[in-house]
Amino acid sequence: QVQLVQSGAEVKKPGASVKISCKASGFTFTDYGFTWVRQAPGQGLEWMGWTGANNGDTNYARKFQDRVTMTTDTSTTTLYLELRSLTSGDTAVYFCARIAWGSGHNYFDPWGQGTLVTVSS
Amino acid sequence: DIQMTQSPSSLSAFVGDRVTITCRASQSVYTYLSWYQQKPGKAPKVLIFGANILQSGVPSRFSGSGSGTDFTLTINSLQREDFATYYCQQTYNTPRTFGQGTNVEIK
Repeated sequence: QVQLVQSGAEVKKPGASVKISCKASGFTFTDYGFTWVRQAPGQGLEWMGWTGANNGDTNYARKFQDRVTMTTDTSTTTLYLELRSLTSGDTAVYFCARIAWGSGHNYFDPWGQGTLVTVSS
Repeated sequence: DIQMTQSPSSLSAFVGDRVTITCRASQSVYTYLSWYQQKPGKAPKVLIFGANILQSGVPSRFSGSGSGTDFTLTINSLQREDFATYYCQQTYNTPRTFGQGTNVEIK
């Protein structure tokens, strides 16, 4: 079935970097773009950006532009999110999602199960 | 950036009630609006896209309406499994902003 499976929880110190993976299966990877969304504890959803699997194009939210990299590996159908210069404010669950299309509209479906990143000294 | 404002932030309802959640955009997003449901500890799940298009597999008691800046998610005959947090999201431009969420609780 169509699914995205993310890597496990991470604990990082302030100033460090984290790289999260998201393994896709059940569909043609290069036909889609993918997005990353994060959710701080008890808070709402925050869009971080997206990347195209077929050409590697990216579009990052301005807030993360200078310290985020989103990549894809078509050989393993895996996408990656790297976030650098971590602070306690980056403590959150990070979700990957496929960008689906229907009737001229795009939406996020399915989503990965989420990866908790904790930033603490 | 387009700001998305949901109301109410939370509500309590009985099983069987009709529930309405509104979402307002700070500028027109035409019908580029999606609704998601999120249960505790789980990833969000799309319910509606294109403002009123029901995602395959989603129960027909969910419906969406609106265009421009004002949108509504309606749940007819609320079921126990519908107690969750609901988010709207504009898909008109980037950044793809979400509303702050509406928590639907059991009364």
